[in-house]
Amino acid sequence: QSVLTQPPSASGTPGQRVTISCSGSSSNIGSNTVNWYQLLPGAAPKLLMYSNNQRPSGVPDRFSGSKSGTSASLAISGLQSEDEADYYCAAWDDTLNVVFGGGTKLTVL
Amino acid sequence: EVQLVESGGGLVQPGGSLRLSCAASGFTLRTYCMSWVRQAPGKGLEWVANIKQDGSEKNYVDSVKGRFTISRDNAKNTLFLQMNSLGADDTAVYYCARGRIPYYIRSLFDYWGQGTLVTVAS
Repeated sequence: QSVLTQPPSASGTPGQRVTISCSGSSSNIGSNTVNWYQLLPGAAPKLLMYSNNQRPSGVPDRFSGSKSGTSASLAISGLQSEDEADYYCAAWDDTLNVVFGGGTKLTVL
Repeated sequence: EVQLVESGGGLVQPGGSLRLSCAASGFTLRTYCMSWVRQAPGKGLEWVANIKQDGSEKNYVDSVKGRFTISRDNAKNTLFLQMNSLGADDTAVYYCARGRIPYYIRSLFDYWGQGTLVTVAS
């Protein structure tokens, strides 16, 4: 069971906006920043968002992140078929080092 | 271009040992803290261990303490994970990952390798 809680699945049609949530506690999300990663089969995990809402260069502005209290979220607008992947949130935990969410499998219908 | 390439995975019997390597290129390894993260089949990501840029501090998830040892050779641009007393629960793809902020061990990761599969089975 993961320390951070994500919905196991999400879906949307091309062009739609989808949001993936990540819930934690005061010892992780509540006091540290959140990163988001995209995992595709056979590929290296890719950093999508760091420090809650900062996009690395090369990540489309269709991706946005936010954090409030002990929860964070990743939003993907203008959904594309290439966005179909697994998404993970991560945060530093004051007692457990790095913790991850259980992952959300995004399906583009 | 930053690259991390893991190697050393394979099939090992329960109770056995394995040493993973992560070859780094495209950046100066000695300025970054590094981690190992694993993903068991059908499961989520789990942080395993990290090490400061100079090797002076190492941290482990409770489930591997006393069995796994993280180390690095900055001169050879390589990160290692020595895994002993392996059990079925250690079966996973093991990734090495770089801390995004130089010299800061509490930094989350920016670059990851593609991973190496470790299978513990008889």
